[in-house]
Parts: sequence; C-alpha cells; structure tokens
Amino acid sequence: GAGVSQSPSNKVTEKGKDVELRCDPISGHTALYWYRQSLGQGLEFLIYFQGNSAPDKSGLPSDRFSAERTGGSVSTLTIQRTQQEDSAVYLCASSPGLGETQYFGPGTRLLVL
Amino acid sequence: SQQGEEDPQALSIQEGENATMNCSYKTSINNLQWYRQNSGRGLVHLILIRSNEREKHSGRLRVTLDTSKKSSSLLITASRAADTASYFCATDSWGKFQFGAGTQVVVTP
Repeated sequence: GAGVSQSPSNKVTEKGKDVELRCDPISGHTALYWYRQSLGQGLEFLIYFQGNSAPDKSGLPSDRFSAERTGGSVSTLTIQRTQQEDSAVYLCASSPGLGETQYFGPGTRLLVL
Repeated sequence: SQQGEEDPQALSIQEGENATMNCSYKTSINNLQWYRQNSGRGLVHLILIRSNEREKHSGRLRVTLDTSKKSSSLLITASRAADTASYFCATDSWGKFQFGAGTQVVVTP
C-alpha cells in the first residue's frame, strides 16, 4: 500500500518568508511524528500527534514553528519568518499506534537563503 | 543533548565480517528501535525491542537490550556492501522519541 508521503520534496525560500510542509501518513495510522535532520546529523524530534492532539510541543525549536493535524490524517508543519538555520531535511513518520514501528516519508529538503 | 548515543561514530569493515554498534541512553524507555538510513533521506525501520525484552533477531540482525545499563547493541552478521549506511537507535519514552547521531558503516567488497 501507499507509504508516508511528504510535499514538497524540495523547498527553497528566502529568509523571513513562511513555509508550510505537508505530511500524508499511512491510512489508519493514529500516531504521526515530525523530525528535523541537519546535514550529517541525527534526527531531532520536533513533535508528535496522537490523533489530532499534540500532547508535547516542547521539542519545537522556537515559537516560529507550529504544527497541526486535522481529521486524524494529514499534518502540516509551518515555519514562520524562516531563518537560515532552519535549513534541513524535515522528516515525517507515522505509526499504527504510539510507540510502535515508525514508517518514514522521504522528507522535505528546506533551504533558506 | 541526545538521548541515544551511538558508538562508534564510524565503522569500516570488509564484506563477510560482522559489524557491532552500541547505543546508550539516559532515561527510562518503553522501547528502543534501530533504523537504517542510506545516503539521501529514506529511513528504514530495522527492529523494535521492548523494555521487557533482552534480545531479538531479524535475519542477519541481532539486537540486545540491557535496561540496567541503559544500553543496546546492534549486530549485523556476514555484512554485505549493501549494508553500507548510517544506523540510528531511537528511544521511545511513551511518545517522545529521541534519535542518536548515528553510526556510519562502510562495508567494502
């Protein structure tokens, strides 16, 4: 079946602009996760959703970052007033339930000029 | 700081040899997972071991978990060139996942 999809695959933006990253999880998966991976680094956990709710937003790097999930499916990660240090690959994953195997999307490569 | 810390950071071996990498973590966990990432973006799940398990096998992979030492190991037996990748451990503390910086494995023919 279809895996996790993310769009866009690549995004180049200018410093100060807002960007919106989208994640389509595997159908039926209740848990959804966002991570950020800088070049050559490990994954930085940003936020997770169980259904539509995000119990813990402390992983978001700053208040410029926000995420929402509607209908227990698609999620959007929004970065306002982008900065150059926001450049990274943003990865989304979903799992059937919390704490189960995560299935990752291909990521969105964000470059802030 | 990273919850999961992999060791070594890099590993270079020849085909047919075994590769062992370790992961240490700091807080209590619900489970620990190992992932592989080839050059590029894709992360592939390898194996999940729960906190009440001590060892799991999957094909050429063997994972151990020692919760008293807060450590896990991943063993790849009879390595192949296709095993060249970065390997990450990820700890699940009831919804909060933390990945380590990874071990970069290079398998030469």
